[in-house]
Amino acid sequence: GAVVSQHPSWVICKSGTSVKIECRSLDFQATTMFWYRQFPKQSLMLMATSNEGSKATYEQGVEKDKFLINHASLTLSTLTVTSAHPEDSSFYICSARYTGRNEQFFGPGTRLTVL
Amino acid sequence: AQTVTQSQPEMSVQEAETVTLSCTYDTSESDYYLFWYKQPPSRQMILVIRQEAYKQQNATENRFSVNFQKAAKSFSLKISDSQLGDAAMYFCAYRGSGTASKLTFGTGTRLQVTL
Repeated sequence: GAVVSQHPSWVICKSGTSVKIECRSLDFQATTMFWYRQFPKQSLMLMATSNEGSKATYEQGVEKDKFLINHASLTLSTLTVTSAHPEDSSFYICSARYTGRNEQFFGPGTRLTVL
Repeated sequence: AQTVTQSQPEMSVQEAETVTLSCTYDTSESDYYLFWYKQPPSRQMILVIRQEAYKQQNATENRFSVNFQKAAKSFSLKISDSQLGDAAMYFCAYRGSGTASKLTFGTGTRLQVTL
């Protein structure tokens, strides 16, 4: 099956700093990537959708200036949490899909803790 | 907008027994896809089974099968011969047929497997 990796798997940072999370499709070209946020014991909440070479489309209520998404190549998307605050602490999951497949492949997630 | 409802926050099953997880959805589309994802304690999302709405035959993957009732907009998951490794959160998800369609997740059902 298609494999998606995320790096780092966990990160702790100080309030006010920025954190970048990478999402890579290892054995396929991801035409579309998705970023989700998951709070404890809750479902996945879609933050944004990005297509390679295009600007990301953000869901309502998600601050695009705070959560910067770049999908510069068919195998890499990045999520940068800018000026992170404790309320940004969460589990972030990326997912990728390629043309012709109706299912999405998920990364293992990144746990972000902002002190 | 599409919605996915999982009315069972928690379920419990004895090892080797059978359990059914419920899922209903609301949509005005005629063509779409339905999925069951498993999220174990590692939090890696794993695709369990998928169903195309145009297919009348219920999908089956080894011990996992679905009961897809299109008219009733119901998509339940049956796990036979339950194993300890089946313990996880299970999410039902819907995706429309368009290339820009996004996954809509239910709130999840936590499955416990007891000896």
